[in-house]
Amino acid sequence: AQSVTQLGSHVSVSEGALVLLRCNYSSSVPPYLFWYVQYPNQGLQLLLKYTTGATLVKGINGFEAEFKKSETSFHLTKPSAHMSDAAEYFCAVISGNTDKLIFGTGTRLQVFP
Amino acid sequence: DTGVSQNPRHKITKRGQNVTFRCDPISEHNRLYWYRQTLGQGPEFLTYFQNEAQLEKSRLLSDRFSAERPKGSFSTLEIQRTEQGDSAMYLCASSLQRNEKLFFGSGTQLSVL
Repeated sequence: AQSVTQLGSHVSVSEGALVLLRCNYSSSVPPYLFWYVQYPNQGLQLLLKYTTGATLVKGINGFEAEFKKSETSFHLTKPSAHMSDAAEYFCAVISGNTDKLIFGTGTRLQVFP
Repeated sequence: DTGVSQNPRHKITKRGQNVTFRCDPISEHNRLYWYRQTLGQGPEFLTYFQNEAQLEKSRLLSDRFSAERPKGSFSTLEIQRTEQGDSAMYLCASSLQRNEKLFFGSGTQLSVL
């Protein structure tokens, strides 16, 4: 069965610091991987996705993620955090012949001035 | 593209009452998904439709839950005999085709007293 694990339910960084949010997936077949962001009182918004091809994926707002098959990881990074990045971030996976998106438990990012 | 619309935004009900939520997907999106999200958790898959056909239903969904998409456009999610454990944010999402990104609505927050 497919699943994702997000290490760290809370991450705190200073403004301008590197952001690293971790995601590991479990899938018996090549997965499609996604990162979504949820701002307070708003719906989920897609940051980026990996399907096939280039393993380094660039998304919106300066975020990027790298698919590493050997490590079954899809960590999300941003070189320099901004106050507006404070939100909940969810990693998700679709794999095989399933059609449903399976989410991790989320990581809340706090950015301090 | 007006986005995915969900109504109502908030619903407060007494235990044992029935509630119905509505979701209007992005026009021409033939896939429609329902998810449930509780505090501190990622969205949990409930069910999804391709056009008017309900293709999958989570085993977590009790018989008190029913969803319809009668004309392949909007969808309704009904919960009968609500319980306090049903309190959650109910999210709707749509996509154009399989494995494509999901567009989420802002959700319906259900509180069962």
